[in-house]
Amino acid sequence: DAKTTQPNSMESNEEEPVHLPCNHSTISGTDYIHWYRQLPSQGPEYVIHGLTSNVNNRMASLAIAEDRKSSTLILHRATLRDAAVYYCIHRDQGAQKLVFGQGTRLTINP
Amino acid sequence: GAGVSQSPRYKVTKRGQDVALRCDPISGHVSLYWYRQALGQGPEFLTYFNYEAQQDKSGLPNDRFSAERPEGSISTLTIQRTEQRDSAMYRCASSLPVRGPLHFGNGTRLTVT
Repeated sequence: DAKTTQPNSMESNEEEPVHLPCNHSTISGTDYIHWYRQLPSQGPEYVIHGLTSNVNNRMASLAIAEDRKSSTLILHRATLRDAAVYYCIHRDQGAQKLVFGQGTRLTINP
Repeated sequence: GAGVSQSPRYKVTKRGQDVALRCDPISGHVSLYWYRQALGQGPEFLTYFNYEAQQDKSGLPNDRFSAERPEGSISTLTIQRTEQRDSAMYRCASSLPVRGPLHFGNGTRLTVT
């Protein structure tokens, strides 16, 4: 079963930052946090992942709480193309498969 | 470059028929995963392979579902005696290192009538 909790939906405006929260209170010390997103009519795509430190890439930033029980995916300047379902996934230590939950449906207003 | 390719793109079959769904992963990718996705839901894990070895089939719903990857490249997901509840989008993904990011294909939309 998915072990993360995310809001069902969020809404933001174009060119504004977006902060997508995720709770993973049962996370263990060596479990990674992964984020994927799924654009309409497409398969999921990898966004970012991290363990303890904050992570940045060309798509987004990942801020991980000091106790690692929550994290936030940050889209610095949302575009209409960022409208998607965002999945936060906590991969069990030693496990390989990713278990997806329901995700957060992000709507971007022009 | 070429991504994960799935065929057919759409499959309509009658209840009771067998279907075979094909996945061609990105060349050289070690791991291959099968998921299925109902409308409005997140992807549901079915099974995965490292090379030709099936590592975990705990997500296969019942014994009508099977998967193989005999040469460690192309994989086939077979559903025998299809039922209407099997209707869904079936997605394949591959990753280069074993625990690397997953690259998903566009899926096969299966409709059982």
